[in-house]
Amino acid sequence: ETGVTQTPRHLVMGMTNKKSLKCEQHLGHNAMYWYKQSAKKPLELMFVYSLEERVENNSVPSRFSPECPNSSHLFLHLHTLQPEDSALYLCASSQGQNTGELFFGEGSRLTVL
Amino acid sequence: AQSVTQPDIHITVSEGASLELRCNYSYGATPYLFWYVQSPGQGLQLLLKYFSGDTLVQGIKGFEAEFKRSQSSFNLRKPSVHWSDAAEYFCAVGAGYSTLTFGKGTMLLVSP
Repeated sequence: ETGVTQTPRHLVMGMTNKKSLKCEQHLGHNAMYWYKQSAKKPLELMFVYSLEERVENNSVPSRFSPECPNSSHLFLHLHTLQPEDSALYLCASSQGQNTGELFFGEGSRLTVL
Repeated sequence: AQSVTQPDIHITVSEGASLELRCNYSYGATPYLFWYVQSPGQGLQLLLKYFSGDTLVQGIKGFEAEFKRSQSSFNLRKPSVHWSDAAEYFCAVGAGYSTLTFGKGTMLLVSP
């Protein structure tokens, strides 16, 4: 299995739907991240979990709700999204928060209609 | 506030030619500097990183980068580009991954 796996790879949802993105890492890392990648914009860090506790939340709207049930799994729950939320959502993990290398998943391409 | 500028949105290089991708940063202290690569449909992969010490760092796939404090730059180089190097390249700066700031990326196109 690859190091960081994200599902689904593609998701189309209406503004009133509720869906979730899933990330699983098989590397034994203790920190996990959600990033948003939009066209023509830099990667935006959304959430950081270290040892299953949220340590950073970069002013992300409440319609995005993360969950980290254990050190291997990370979810991003989505509800009442807006079309401008359409983007590639990347999950990453690292061993340690400050010195480790970030390992990224392939991303979940989200389209909000 | 820290920032990263990659002045070239697109670069086209002939296969076998040398490559230099530019990165300038703004950071209040000694930065940690990174280059990542993203192939189409893939996540980002770390090419190399600079934390301290020798200002010329070697990475994977034959890439290297040089930290120049006086110019606030961390340019990525490769002596001979291969068609498989076509991808988007991101420079990033920070002092820990929770504060990592990425540039907007440079798309590398390789012509035959």
